[in-house]
Amino acid sequence: GDSVTQMEGPVTLSEEAFLTINCTYTATGYPSLFWYVQYPGEGLQLLLKATKADDKGSNKGFEATYRKETTSFHLEKGSVQVSDSAVYFCALSESTGGFKTIFGAGTRLFVKA
Amino acid sequence: DAGVIQSPRHEVTEMGQEVTLRCKPISGHNSLFWYRQTMMRGLELLIYFNNNVPIDDSGMPEDRFSAKMPNASFSTLKIQPSEPRDSAVYFCASSSGLAGGPDTQYFGPGTRLTVL
Repeated sequence: GDSVTQMEGPVTLSEEAFLTINCTYTATGYPSLFWYVQYPGEGLQLLLKATKADDKGSNKGFEATYRKETTSFHLEKGSVQVSDSAVYFCALSESTGGFKTIFGAGTRLFVKA
Repeated sequence: DAGVIQSPRHEVTEMGQEVTLRCKPISGHNSLFWYRQTMMRGLELLIYFNNNVPIDDSGMPEDRFSAKMPNASFSTLKIQPSEPRDSAVYFCASSSGLAGGPDTQYFGPGTRLTVL
């Protein structure tokens, strides 16, 4: 079945450092790919998404490119801020899954001032 | 729009008691999802509905858990009887569930359940 694998955390960075969180997936069809973010005490919220191969999703300085050849959707940000400290979830969804979204285990990011 | 609304935000109960969690999805959304989040097991999909009909309840842990969606604007997740291992944060999410394709899910703030 479909699955999502993302790098284990926690990831600890200093402010203004470059961020990469790796995500790879397996899917039977052509899924849409998502990154969700969860701030402390809150529910998940969409950060960015891409619906087809080579699409790039971007939001708030974060980017991820849908790479079908490597089945990856790595999250990047050029300069992190303390306010980016949160848990990041990679996810996929496809119609053959009946609108289900498969989430990765989440990667906790700590950014130090 | 107020977003997905969940109540209560916090619930503390004793083992054996019945617990009912409530969710109001975003107006116009026709898919609703219940998740459970714990440190040990991460985020787990319990059940989801499309147009008020349960589509997949394979994630419901056991018969003590039940979920209903009597109309498009309300859903409940019930645990009877509750056990300490049910302690978790329970999230409700909704999406527009466009026919033929996936869509973004919008999460509520969650209900933190503690079973003593």
